[in-house]
Amino acid sequence: EIVLTQSPGTLSLSPGERATLSCRASQSVSSPYLAWYQQKPGQAPRLLIYGASSRATGIPDRFSGSGSGTDFTLTISRLEPEDLAVYYCQQYGGSPFTFGQGTKLEIK
Amino acid sequence: EVQLVQSGAEVKKPGESLKISCKGSGYSFTTYWIGWVRQMPGKGLEWMGIIYPGDSDTRYSPSFQGQVTISADKSISTAYLQWSSLKASDTAMYYCARHRGDRSSDAFDVWGRGTMVTVSS
Repeated sequence: EIVLTQSPGTLSLSPGERATLSCRASQSVSSPYLAWYQQKPGQAPRLLIYGASSRATGIPDRFSGSGSGTDFTLTISRLEPEDLAVYYCQQYGGSPFTFGQGTKLEIK
Repeated sequence: EVQLVQSGAEVKKPGESLKISCKGSGYSFTTYWIGWVRQMPGKGLEWMGIIYPGDSDTRYSPSFQGQVTISADKSISTAYLQWSSLKASDTAMYYCARHRGDRSSDAFDVWGRGTMVTVSS
């Protein structure tokens, strides 16, 4: 089973700043089959990024993904108050398709 | 509009059985994998397994194999998650979600709103 470790656990930034979230895999993720999701309080998760760097439909270009192998990054440029959420990475290159433990993004 | 509509919240006692549902609409239900994801109170997301409604091919996480059963009825575009004997530790929100494409390995692009299952004596 591929274990995904996200860092930091919590990130506190101001509107307009840039957020950098990390996701590290215990072994190489093939293809790369790596996704990022946003979960706002009381809501279901929403797909942001798939294939490590492709934005899902309707996702603003403030959100970008990068990385390969074992190291992946979600970058949110120009933070907005609505970006308050927990962000999860998920690998779907090898079953079971595991999630990271999440990074909580707080907006000051 | 592509949607997954989940059944309502459930309150059950330990040892009882339960089957919750997820009805797809707005797309070809038989050609997209559907998965189930658990979220225990205040915790993260856990991938439980997936099913291909076209032929009921099912894959489970080892953590959930033997603990739950995933099934689908393509005639009514509905996927199911069931337990034969609930435990208090099954208390959680359960989400169904659809794969983005028709491959068995893919991200989830459409999510249901979740079904809250509470197991308490």
